[in-house]
Amino acid sequence: GAGVSQTPSNKVTEKGKYVELRCDPISGHTALYWYRQSLGQGPEFLIYFQGTGAADDSGLPNDRFFAVRPEGSVSTLKIQRTERGDSAVYLCASSLGGNPDTQYFGPGTRLTVL
Amino acid sequence: AQTVTQSQPEMSVQEAETVTLSCTYDTSESNYYLFWYKQPPSRQMILVIRQEAYKQQNATENRFSVNFQKAAKSFSLKISDSQLGDTAMYFCAFMKYNTDKLIFGTGTRLQVFP
Repeated sequence: GAGVSQTPSNKVTEKGKYVELRCDPISGHTALYWYRQSLGQGPEFLIYFQGTGAADDSGLPNDRFFAVRPEGSVSTLKIQRTERGDSAVYLCASSLGGNPDTQYFGPGTRLTVL
Repeated sequence: AQTVTQSQPEMSVQEAETVTLSCTYDTSESNYYLFWYKQPPSRQMILVIRQEAYKQQNATENRFSVNFQKAAKSFSLKISDSQLGDTAMYFCAFMKYNTDKLIFGTGTRLQVFP
């Protein structure tokens, strides 16, 4: 079946602009995760959804970052007033929701803030 | 807080040979899980192998095996019969029991030469 998909693949924006990054999880996966991978680093956890609710948002760096998953499937990561330091690859993963359950990753969105 | 350290930024190996990637971690937890993920240039993270800390037996998956030393907090990955397709970044990751947050190391870039 289809894996995790993320759109857009690449996003270039200007400092101060608002961006939305989309994640389509594997069908039937109740858990969804967002990670941020800066150049030369491993992914860092941002937020985890179980169903529609954010079960753990401890990794969001500040209040410019927000994520939603209104129907328990697709999720959108929203970044307001983007800064150059937000440039990174944003990875989404989904799982069936057990613990621990294998997290299946998407190809990521590369965000570049000029 | 948990940390994961991969001290080898880059490794290389000849096709058909064996290579070992190192990983150490720091935690005060007794129950946790450890993972190795592969990230090819396509950016998509792929699970290679996982180990439950309560299991003494080392996990194996075909050509991939781990050497899990709980007391030393070490979790190395051995790749046997290396193939050109094994060329990728390899990330070691930690997950505390009853959480769904992966904590990644900084990765090791593996190059397999013909």
